[in-house]
Parts: sequence; structure tokens; C-alpha cells
Amino acid sequence: GAVVSQHPSRVICKSGTSVKIECRSLDFQATTMFWYRQFPKQSLMLMATSNEGSKATYEQGVEKDKFLINHASLTLSTLTVTSAHPEDSSFYICSAGRTNNEQFFGPGTRLTVL
Amino acid sequence: TQLLEQSPQFLSIQEGENLTVYCNSSSVFSSLQWYRQEPGEGPVLLVTVVTGGEVKKLKRLTFQFGDARKDSSLHITAAQTGDTGLYLCGGGNEKLTFGTGTRLTIIP
Repeated sequence: GAVVSQHPSRVICKSGTSVKIECRSLDFQATTMFWYRQFPKQSLMLMATSNEGSKATYEQGVEKDKFLINHASLTLSTLTVTSAHPEDSSFYICSAGRTNNEQFFGPGTRLTVL
Repeated sequence: TQLLEQSPQFLSIQEGENLTVYCNSSSVFSSLQWYRQEPGEGPVLLVTVVTGGEVKKLKRLTFQFGDARKDSSLHITAAQTGDTGLYLCGGGNEKLTFGTGTRLTIIP
């Protein structure tokens, strides 16, 4: 149990376009999902906390208008990188929360902006 | 802000050796998780520790939560090449704070 999927796994786009990443909890309901960004050889940086049916809570320094988060159901959260630029290229990972603060992570999405 | 520091940041040892990595904080955590991440993949949950002084074993991996619930350690016995990866500790209440990570390389 506790499987989280992400789609797509890799995406390459041109500068200025928007990219949507989906995060799904496949076998449990998650009222809270989290979005992280990870740079090469570094730890995870929390971007925002996504709560089902309400607005996401963004960490300091993360632009909410650039990184749009929607948590429409208990099993799906989406992150849209709007008007992507090369500096947005990164590894984006979502996780779904369960009891005892346990989080189960998706496999990640590698975004490359040309 | 709750901060977690992991040590060492990098560790490279021969297959068959034992090792310990540490996760330290000045904050008290209600629970703490250990994850392993391989390149290009998401972190995989290894264990959750909740009670101060708790010890959990997962095959050759032994996890300990400090009595004061501020620190934790991961001990690996007879390391294997499959243990190679980035080990992350995470703690927090409503959201997790992750440590800096320990990048472990097991040399065959």
C-alpha cells in the first residue's frame, strides 16, 4: 500500500510555456499533499502544502502565481509551472501524507526548460 | 524553523563494513522518518520512529530515536552495494523538515 504516482516522469518544454504535473495517491486518500523541488545532489526543498478543497500554503520565497497548485480531490493534486524559464528546470517531487507525519513520495518529474 | 543536520554528508565504504549516520536537531519532534532515495527517483520511506529511545530494525538496518526525540541514528551492518543512495531524515508536525542528507556509496 501507500503508492503515489506522478505524471509525467520527464518533460522538456520551451521557455514561456506552462507545464502541469499530476500527483496521485493510488491506494489511499490523502487530505494533504506536498510539493518539493530538488536540485542536483541536494536535499528536498518544500515548496507548498496542498490541502484538499482549500488553497495551498506556500513556503517563503515560492511564488504562488508561478507555481499553481490545485488539490481537487483526496487522491489528486496538480502543480502547474507557469511561463517556465530555464531556471525552473529541476526535479519536482510530490508526496502524500498519512498518519504519524509519514509521507509517501511519488517518483518525481524531471523538468527541463529550454 | 526546525532544522535537521545529518552527518556525515558523504560516506564511501567497502562492502561488508558497518556504518552509522546521524540526524541531529535542537528541536523536539513528535516523530521522525528515514528515507532512502536513488538517483532520478523519489524517496522511499524506510521507517518511522515515534517514542523516545525507540529502536527499530529493518533487516540489516537499525534505527534509533533519541531519548529526548531530538536526534536519530541509522546503523547499517555488513553494507551491501544495494545500500548505496541518499539517506534523508525528516521530522515535523504538520509538515516535514528534511535533513541535508547523507550520500552513501558502497564500494564492491
